Amino acid sequence: ETGVTQSPTHLIKTRGQQVTLRCSSQSGHNTVSWYQQALGQGPQFIFQYYREEENGRGNFPPRFSGLQFPNYSSELNVNALELDDSALYLCASSLTVQETQYFGPGTRLLVL
Amino acid sequence: GENVEQHPSTLSVQEGDSAVIKCTYSDSASNYFPWYKQELGKRPQLIIDIRSNVGEKKDQRIAVTLNKTAKHFSLHITETQPEDSAVYFCAASKGGSYIPTFGRGTSLIVHP
Repeated sequence: ETGVTQSPTHLIKTRGQQVTLRCSSQSGHNTVSWYQQALGQGPQFIFQYYREEENGRGNFPPRFSGLQFPNYSSELNVNALELDDSALYLCASSLTVQETQYFGPGTRLLVL
Repeated sequence: GENVEQHPSTLSVQEGDSAVIKCTYSDSASNYFPWYKQELGKRPQLIIDIRSNVGEKKDQRIAVTLNKTAKHFSLHITETQPEDSAVYFCAASKGGSYIPTFGRGTSLIVHP
C-alpha cells in the first residue's frame, strides 16, 4: 500500500449540505492533489497543494476548496452539495511537485 | 488543455494472451505518462510510467511504448493472468507541475 489514507471511507449527504473530506499524505510528501472520479470515468483533477499553497486548479467551481497542513494532512471541502457531486474522491500525494503521485483509497460520497 | 483518448474501453482476452491498450494525447508539451491499475472498489495504483526522453520501458510482463511524433503511447501486458483483470488508466502531464489528465479507462477482463 501507498501510506496515503483518507477518511471517511463512505459518506451520505443531502443536497445543499457541506462536506469535509480528509487525507493524510505519505510522510515527507509536500504535495497533495485531489481528484473526483465519477462511476466509469477516469479521475478528474480538482486542485493541487504544494507546501500549503494552492498550486493548480482544475475546472471545478469555487464551492470546492481545500487546505493543506504542515503535518502532511489535507482537506477537501465542498459547499452547497449537488446530486452530481456523488463520486469517489481521491487524494494523491507525491514527494514533491514533479514526482509520481500515489493515491489514497478514496472517499465515496453519495448526495441524495 | 490536454486531452487524452484511450482505447479500447473494454478488452477481453484469454489467460496467457497479450493485451494492448492505446492512448493518444493532444499537447505536444506533455512529457510524463503514467499508467494506473484500479481494481474494483480500490485505489488507482501506479504500475509503470515513462518520460518523454525514452521510447520504451519494461517491467517484467508489462511494457510501455511512447511515440512522441505521433503523440501516442501504449501499455503492453504479456502472458495475462486472471489477476490482471481491472480497469487501466493512462495519463499525460507536462511541465513543472505534475497535474495529469487521465483517459477514460480500459476494463481488461482475463478469462481463465
